[in-house]
Amino acid sequence: AQTVTQSQPEMSVQEAETVTLSCTYDTSESDYYLFWYKQPPSRQMILVIRQEAYKQQNATENRFSVNFQKAAKSFSLKISDSQLGDAAMYFCAYRSAWSGANSKLTFGKGITLSVRP
Amino acid sequence: DTGVSQDPRHKITKRGQNVTFRCDPISEHNRLYWYRQTLGQGPEFLTYFQNEAQLEKSRLLSDRFSAERPKGSFSTLEIQRTEQGDSAMYLCASHGQGANYEQYFGPGTRLTVT
Repeated sequence: AQTVTQSQPEMSVQEAETVTLSCTYDTSESDYYLFWYKQPPSRQMILVIRQEAYKQQNATENRFSVNFQKAAKSFSLKISDSQLGDAAMYFCAYRSAWSGANSKLTFGKGITLSVRP
Repeated sequence: DTGVSQDPRHKITKRGQNVTFRCDPISEHNRLYWYRQTLGQGPEFLTYFQNEAQLEKSRLLSDRFSAERPKGSFSTLEIQRTEQGDSAMYLCASHGQGANYEQYFGPGTRLTVT
């Protein structure tokens, strides 16, 4: 079974600064997807960024980028130029890439990010 | 609105009562998922539908839980004889087939069992 670990329960960042959220995972599969989801208070979960395990290049989406280290099973999220609207709970998630598999997501416990003005 | 919708958004019930939640996925999505999220935790998988077929159920889904997706459209999740431990946010997500593997989440139904 796959597991996802987010060991930092909370982080804080000054507006306009950069912050990195950590995530590690464990799997015996060679092909999979990794995701970061954002869940603002009382609002629905939205996808921030996605990484395919077969791709060596790290994914980027505007101010968001990942550092994917497959051998180390590490998948961190970097938020540059932090904005007040980035304050939310962030979840790291894993999904098998096997086409016959249930595409369920396995989530970490999440990290609460606060942004100081 | 083309997103995933859930109803109700909040439900307060007394222990022992039955409750039913509804999820309307994005119309062209054939895969639908239910997750449960307790306070301070990430969502945990409950069950999965491909069209109208329920293909997998988590061990978290006790006999008191049942889910359906008639005609492969909306889905319902029923909890019978609710217990205080059932208090949680119940999330629904959907995605279609193809290269885009993003799951789109609904706003959730927050259940409080008193």
